[in-house]
Amino acid sequence: AQSVSQHNHHVILSEAASLELGCNYSYGGTVNLFWYVQYPGQHLQLLLKYFSGDPLVKGIKGFEAEFIKSKFSFNLRKPSVQWSDTAEYFCAVNKLAAGNKLTFGGGTRVLVKP
Amino acid sequence: KAGVTQTPRYLIKTRGQQVTLSCSPISGHRSVSWYQQTPGQGLQFLFEYFSETQRNKGNFPGRFSGRQFSNSRSEMNVSTLELGDSALYLCASSLGRLAGLGRVGNEQFFGPGTRLTVL
Repeated sequence: AQSVSQHNHHVILSEAASLELGCNYSYGGTVNLFWYVQYPGQHLQLLLKYFSGDPLVKGIKGFEAEFIKSKFSFNLRKPSVQWSDTAEYFCAVNKLAAGNKLTFGGGTRVLVKP
Repeated sequence: KAGVTQTPRYLIKTRGQQVTLSCSPISGHRSVSWYQQTPGQGLQFLFEYFSETQRNKGNFPGRFSGRQFSNSRSEMNVSTLELGDSALYLCASSLGRLAGLGRVGNEQFFGPGTRLTVL
């Protein structure tokens, strides 16, 4: 069965620090890749997506992610975090053969200390 | 453009009862997917509806069902509620282009969820 792994469950860092969250998936076919964010008390929002083309994709709020096909990875990065980046981050994978079904990773809770 | 709306936002039910949740997708979106979010299991796919037809189904028992109407609005129903059904139920909408016909437009936009508590 396809699985999506997020290596860190909790991350604590200070403002202005760099952030990198890991995501690996197990499916070998063609996939769409997503990162979603859930701010406290808010609903899931799409941060960025990868469908094809340039493996380095840029999203909202200064986030970017790099798709490395050989490593089945789609890591999320932000060079300098702000307190407002405190949230839970979810990686999600969609197999093209599975319609719109998203398989999510377990999420990473990020706490940015002011 | 209005986002995905879900009603009700909160529900409290007792074991054995049944519940219906509603989702209105973004205007123009034809695909509606449902997910269950719990602290223990995370986000799990329930099913997807496209043009009033169930296109995908996750690994949930038959007590979980859904339907989609001609205006793309969707409902999900849970019968014979169990304590373990307590969760946040999320609805997501997308344009729903079929796989292989162009992936742009398949990103999903989530609603605020319905928080179901089963006592």
